[in-house]
Amino acid sequence: EVQLVESGGGLVQPGGSLRLSCAASGFSLRSYWMSWVRQAPGKGLEWVANIKEDGSEKYYVESVKGRFTISRDNAKNSLYLQMNSLRAEDTAVYYCVRPTFDIWGQGTMVTVSS
Amino acid sequence: EIVMTQSPATLSVSPGERATLSCRASQSVSSKLAWYQQKPGQAPRFLIYGASTRATGIPARFSGSGSGTEFTLTISSLQSEDFTVYYCQQYNNWPWTFGQGTKVEFK
Repeated sequence: EVQLVESGGGLVQPGGSLRLSCAASGFSLRSYWMSWVRQAPGKGLEWVANIKEDGSEKYYVESVKGRFTISRDNAKNSLYLQMNSLRAEDTAVYYCVRPTFDIWGQGTMVTVSS
Repeated sequence: EIVMTQSPATLSVSPGERATLSCRASQSVSSKLAWYQQKPGQAPRFLIYGASTRATGIPARFSGSGSGTEFTLTISSLQSEDFTVYYCQQYNNWPWTFGQGTKVEFK
């Protein structure tokens, strides 16, 4: 079964850091661009970052540039999102997505609060 | 950034009726437009890509149309499980962006 499973979410203070992980199964991550998408509580969806198959190209939404880093380890079939200098407005469910658009993880909640 | 605007924000429809949801882009996105359905507490479900092509396993009552800046998602005969929120998303220009969503509710 093709599946994405996120982990690493939790409660963090403003200014803190968190690293999200996404484990892929049922397909080879190295063959696909991969993405992170987030959704604040009760709000709409926001596409956060994309990374090319070999990691050579990365794209970020303006609001996270310089603070978030998307990366991947194709040997481990895993995707990551390093989040630094976290703000209250980063509070959201973070989804790992294969941007053939059909494969989404279940999401991991990140709460930034003191 | 391309702004996607969905209308109406809420659509009140009776089961069995037709629902028409609109999505407008602030500039042309060609046909690089996707539609999703999202139920509370769940990840979005992929419905349509390329503005009009149904994803695998999506019932034929869902159809998409449009190109450029104007798009439509039509649900031909609403079933009980269709009453939820729908989002459009453009993937023509980075950053990829979503509309704010249309909630389809029972009339």
